[in-house]
Amino acid sequence: AQSVSQHNHHVILSEAASLELGCNYSYGGTVNLFWYVQYPGQHLQLLLKYFSGDPLVKGIKGFEAEFIKSKFSFNLRKPSVQWSDTAEYFCAVNARQAGTALIFGKGTTLSVSS
Amino acid sequence: GAGVSQSPSNKVTEKGKDVELRCDPISGHTALYWYRQSLGQGLEFLIYFQGNSAPDKSGLPSDRFSAERTGGSVSTLTIQRTQQEDSAVYLCASSLGGRVFYNEQFFGPGTRLTVL
Repeated sequence: AQSVSQHNHHVILSEAASLELGCNYSYGGTVNLFWYVQYPGQHLQLLLKYFSGDPLVKGIKGFEAEFIKSKFSFNLRKPSVQWSDTAEYFCAVNARQAGTALIFGKGTTLSVSS
Repeated sequence: GAGVSQSPSNKVTEKGKDVELRCDPISGHTALYWYRQSLGQGLEFLIYFQGNSAPDKSGLPSDRFSAERTGGSVSTLTIQRTQQEDSAVYLCASSLGGRVFYNEQFFGPGTRLTVL
């Protein structure tokens, strides 16, 4: 079945460590790609998005993601995490062949210790 | 400006009862989505409204679930004869109309439903 896969269920890092969260999708054709974040007790917020153009996209709070079409991947990165980055991160795909709804990965919980 | 709002924020109900969840989209957004966030299942699409077009109901898990959107704005998600497996956070999102495929979706805070 077509899907969005996030490789890590729970990631634990110390402050200042580098972060990379993997995301792969299985939809062909035109896709829009997103990373959303949900901080404890808050609602989903958009971190960054890719629609077209430069495959390296920069989002809020120092996050970036790289779209690699040949690998069907859209990995999220941050060079140096902070305690305030503790949250749940969701990769989502909007695939033309799947309609307009977002298809989400199951999420990755990031815990950052100070 | 105001974001997507949902009410109630929390709802506790007994198995077998009906519940209604409300969503107010961002003003001017013609596309509206309902998603469900549950443990172990992540975020799942339920239903999508775009203007006056027939809704896309392909994500509704059973015929106990229905939704309507009045006047192209407020939407109500109704769950009849609730079951314990319906316990989840129900999220609403809205986006601009037109070339909907390319429009960012903005999410509300969700309604946490607990079925006892």
